[in-house]
Formats: sequence, structure tokens, C-alpha cells
Amino acid sequence: EPEVTQTPSHQVTQMGQEVILRCVPISNHLYFYWYRQILGQKVEFLVSFYNNEISEKSEIFDDQFSVERPDGSNFTLKIRSTKLEDSAMYFCASSEDLGNQPQHFGDGTRLSIL
Amino acid sequence: GQNIDQPTEMTATEGAIVQINCTYQTSGFNGLFWYQQHAGEAPTFLSYNVLDGLEEKGRFSSFLSRSKGYSYLLLKELQMKDSASYLCAVPTAAGNKLTFGGGTRVLVKP
Repeated sequence: EPEVTQTPSHQVTQMGQEVILRCVPISNHLYFYWYRQILGQKVEFLVSFYNNEISEKSEIFDDQFSVERPDGSNFTLKIRSTKLEDSAMYFCASSEDLGNQPQHFGDGTRLSIL
Repeated sequence: GQNIDQPTEMTATEGAIVQINCTYQTSGFNGLFWYQQHAGEAPTFLSYNVLDGLEEKGRFSSFLSRSKGYSYLLLKELQMKDSASYLCAVPTAAGNKLTFGGGTRVLVKP
């Protein structure tokens, strides 16, 4: 069964450094998402992406965050200057369509900011 | 805005049945999803309800009442591997964002 893949599985970064999290969505999916989950808390929406542009973003997704689809397969999340509070599990998801189509999640990247 | 409430934790015995409730408030209903999440892993899709009633899928069933803003996930013949968090989630009317509840951690005991 096709799946969303994310790399790396774990990233340790010094505060203030830039980090790029990578995702390969399911190949026939058109909608892409990033979520994060701070340890012990709920899954929170960051951003959705369709047709090479952001379709919605949350308050968390400030100027320090950006997303890109640099080629036909990858979907990246960049955090420019990481803060301690960015430490979380970051999940990429994709869906074939909106609404009734489920979002399929990757295994996540655990980001630890020191 | 959207708001979802579900119990924090439930404990049940192997072979038993457990019902996980979820209440939601949303502006513009576009269905409700249930996901399973094992500790340290990704949420995996279990079910989607958009019409009132019960949807059965093997050992797992999901129910929806739109008028009450209420759903439940029913897990039958519990197995040890069912120990996980169960997340209730609703999409926005535009469908491009999921709002998750805090999850219900189910512990299955032998």
C-alpha cells in the first residue's frame, strides 16, 4: 500500500539554526499538509498546500516557517531560526481530495531543539 | 471555530468492548474522522462518517449524530494491540484542515 515517507526520523538542532524536514507524499495525491504534535499534546494543524501554493495556515505557521514543493515528489517544511518550543513531532500528510478523503500521515520527524 | 472533546483515558479488558465518545462544535460540518495513534507513531485512518448512523468495519464501528454533535468509536473483541490513542478529528468546511481532539488513550489489560 502506498505511504507517505518522511526524513529524517529524528533531527537534533541547536536553537537558532535552520532545519528542513522532508516528505514524499503518496504519488497520486494532490493535497499536502504539515501537522505537529508536542509531546503529550494534541495534533495541531500547521499548513495545507495545493497547486503549488498555501491554501490555509494556522497561527503557529509564522514567518519562521515555509513550505515548498521543489520537484514533483518532495514536499518540505523549513524552520528558519529554530526555538526551543519548536521541539515536537512533525507529521506530513497527503490526501487525494478534500473533505471526505482521509489524510494519510507519514511516520513523522522528531525535532529536538537544544 | 471548531472544538472537540473526548475523554482522556479508558481502560478495558482483552476481549471486551469499549466505546469512545466524541462531541464536537464546528461551523460547517464536513464529516468526522477517527484515527488510531500508537505511542510515538503516526495517526492512521480508521473511519469517516458524514451521515447519521453506524458504520461498521470489522471489529471497529463508528457512529454519528449530527443533530447532537456527537460521535463514538466502538472497539469490539479488544486485543492487546488495540492499546493506543484514538483521535477524533473534524475537517473545516473547506476540507483543507483537520482539527483533532486531544485523543483518548485506551489501555487494554489481559
